[in-house]
Amino acid sequence: GNSVTQMEGPVTLSEEAFLTINCTYTATGYPSLFWYVQYPGEGLQLLLKATKADDKGSNKGFEATYRKETTSFHLEKGSVQVSDSAVYFCALSVSIGYALNFGKGTSLLVTP
Amino acid sequence: NAGVTQTPKFQVLKTGQSMTLQCAQDMNHEYMSWYRQDPGMGLRLIHYSVGAGITDQGEVPNGYNVSRSTTEDFPLRLLSAAPSQTSVYFCASSQRRGLRRTDTQYFGPGTRLTVL
Repeated sequence: GNSVTQMEGPVTLSEEAFLTINCTYTATGYPSLFWYVQYPGEGLQLLLKATKADDKGSNKGFEATYRKETTSFHLEKGSVQVSDSAVYFCALSVSIGYALNFGKGTSLLVTP
Repeated sequence: NAGVTQTPKFQVLKTGQSMTLQCAQDMNHEYMSWYRQDPGMGLRLIHYSVGAGITDQGEVPNGYNVSRSTTEDFPLRLLSAAPSQTSVYFCASSQRRGLRRTDTQYFGPGTRLTVL
């Protein structure tokens, strides 16, 4: 089946630190990969996506590269801010009519 | 555009009661889906729809019913609420892209349901 595994949280970083949140996947076919972010008390927002191997998604200083050889889609940011504190979800979509398979989420807390 | 809207935002039910969670989108999206979010579990798919009149089950469909009579609306019904259905419920929609892909999913703000 299709599944996503992401690193357990919570992750606590100081402002301006480097962030990596690991995400690996198992999928049949050729999935599209996504990172969603959920700020406290809110719904999910798309952060970035990649639809084929070697694509790099980027947004708001966050990046992730679709690595088919390692079945990974790790999220990175060079310098985090307090406002980046949120829960981050890695997800995949493999076929039309099927919705997203989500990882369990990684909580990030950035301290001043 | 309002995007994806959900009502109510909060709801408390007693075991055995029924209710409908409303979801609407104004983006003319073909695909709509319902997820539940539980601590440490991520989001799990309950039901989804690929267009008006067509629905199918997701990962955790038991205890929930859906219908899709229009493109805009996709209500989720709990016929006899149970404490295990205490959760946050999210509705999402997306557009079809080509024959084999869906586009980005847009999420509503969620409904927080407590069943006593």
